[in-house]
Amino acid sequence: GAVVSQHPSWVICKSGTSVKIECRSLDFQATTMFWYRQFPKQSLMLMATSNEGSKATYEQGVEKDKFLINHASLTLSTLTVTSAHPEDSSFYICSAKGPYEQYFGPGTRLTVT
Amino acid sequence: TQLLEQSPQFLSIQEGENLTVYCNSSSVFSSLQWYRQEPGEGPVLLVTVVTGGEVKKLKRLTFQFGDARKDSSLHITAAQPGDTGLYLCAGTYDSWGKLQFGAGTQVVVTP
Repeated sequence: GAVVSQHPSWVICKSGTSVKIECRSLDFQATTMFWYRQFPKQSLMLMATSNEGSKATYEQGVEKDKFLINHASLTLSTLTVTSAHPEDSSFYICSAKGPYEQYFGPGTRLTVT
Repeated sequence: TQLLEQSPQFLSIQEGENLTVYCNSSSVFSSLQWYRQEPGEGPVLLVTVVTGGEVKKLKRLTFQFGDARKDSSLHITAAQPGDTGLYLCAGTYDSWGKLQFGAGTQVVVTP
């Protein structure tokens, strides 16, 4: 099946710094990618839809200036958490829309100290 | 956002028992997916149901989509410890393919 990778798989950063997470579709082109956030013992919550070559659309309550999304190519979308705070600590998961289904990445564990 | 209610939140059963997880909504979905997620990993797709009344079987797992395409169920027969995980239902509700996830059901199967 199609493969989506995320990098890094985990990251620890200090409060106030920025962190970039990459999401790549390895064997197919994805014009649309999605970013989700998952807190412990909770489900996935959609943060934003990333479309190649255009601005991302954010779900209600998600700050677009804090979570910067760039979909620079058909195989790469990046999420940058700016001025991270401890409450941003979470599991971030991306998915890429393939020809038949959404393919999920393995997730990135972000811990802000 | 269209709400998907998933129940129960937690299920603990012994190996060999059967279990059913339910996913309900007041809204119609164009399709509904079931995923299983292991700790620290992304969700893995188990099945997609599209047609109202559809029943799909995947070995010991049986998935049903309601006639009105508002609800679905996952039934596991003779559960095994390897079935342990977080089961998530998710509905597709717009042309972009956005998914609305249910709250998830944590299933624990003990030997």
